[in-house]
Amino acid sequence: RKEVEQDPGPFNVPEGATVAFNCTYSNSASQSFFWYRQDCRKEPKLLMSVYSSGNEDGRFTAQLNRASQYISLLIRDSKLSDSATYLCVVNPTYNFGNEKLTFGTGTRLTIIP
Amino acid sequence: EAQVTQNPRYLITVTGKKLTVTCSQNMNHEYMSWYRQDPGLGLRQIYYSMNVEVTDKGDVPEGYKVSRKEKRNFPLILESPSPNQTSLYFCASSLGTGETHEQYFGPGTRLTVT
Repeated sequence: RKEVEQDPGPFNVPEGATVAFNCTYSNSASQSFFWYRQDCRKEPKLLMSVYSSGNEDGRFTAQLNRASQYISLLIRDSKLSDSATYLCVVNPTYNFGNEKLTFGTGTRLTIIP
Repeated sequence: EAQVTQNPRYLITVTGKKLTVTCSQNMNHEYMSWYRQDPGLGLRQIYYSMNVEVTDKGDVPEGYKVSRKEKRNFPLILESPSPNQTSLYFCASSLGTGETHEQYFGPGTRLTVT
C-alpha cells in the first residue's frame, strides 16, 4: 500500500459547483498534513495545513479523519482559477531527525465555464 | 523578497557527465530538501537536510549526492547522470515539517539526460 494515495482524476466540474476529494495515508503515527496546489509546470504552493479539528480558509475546507486515516479538501463555489493539481502531503513520523515528507501523486481538477 | 532559487532552470546533458544543480534560500530556513517529479509518480523526496552539515536520505537517493555547508545553500550533485534521472527537480525550504511549516519551493529544474 502506498504511504499516501490520491485519486488522480481528472475531475471536470462546472464553475460554481462544490467539489471534494480525499487522500488516504497508511502510517497511523503521521502528525502533519497539508494540501498543496500545483499549476501546470510550476512549483507547488501551500494551500492549507490540515489541523486535527478541521480548518477553513474562505471557500476551502480541510478535514482530518484519524480513525479512517484520510484527509479531505472541499472547495465551494469553484472558480476557473481553481483549476490545478492538488497534492496531499503527509509527514509520516514524528521522530526528530526523521522529518520526511511524503507527497501524493496529486488530483487534477479542471473547472469548466 | 523571500524566495528559493534554483539554477539552471533547464539542462540537457549526456550520460556520465557530472553536474550540479544549485539551490539557495534567503529565509534563514533550517530545513531544505530536494524532490523529483515524474508523471504518475508525483513528487518524491531525494534528500533532505535538517541544518548545516546534517543531511539524510529521502525515498529515492540513489545516484544523487547533496551537501549543506552553509544554511542558505543545498546543491544537488549527480556524479554520473543516467537517462532515468531525466526529470523535473524541485528544491524546497522551510522552518521545519510541522503543521505550521510551509514548504517554499524553487521554480524547478528540468533535466534531460541523453
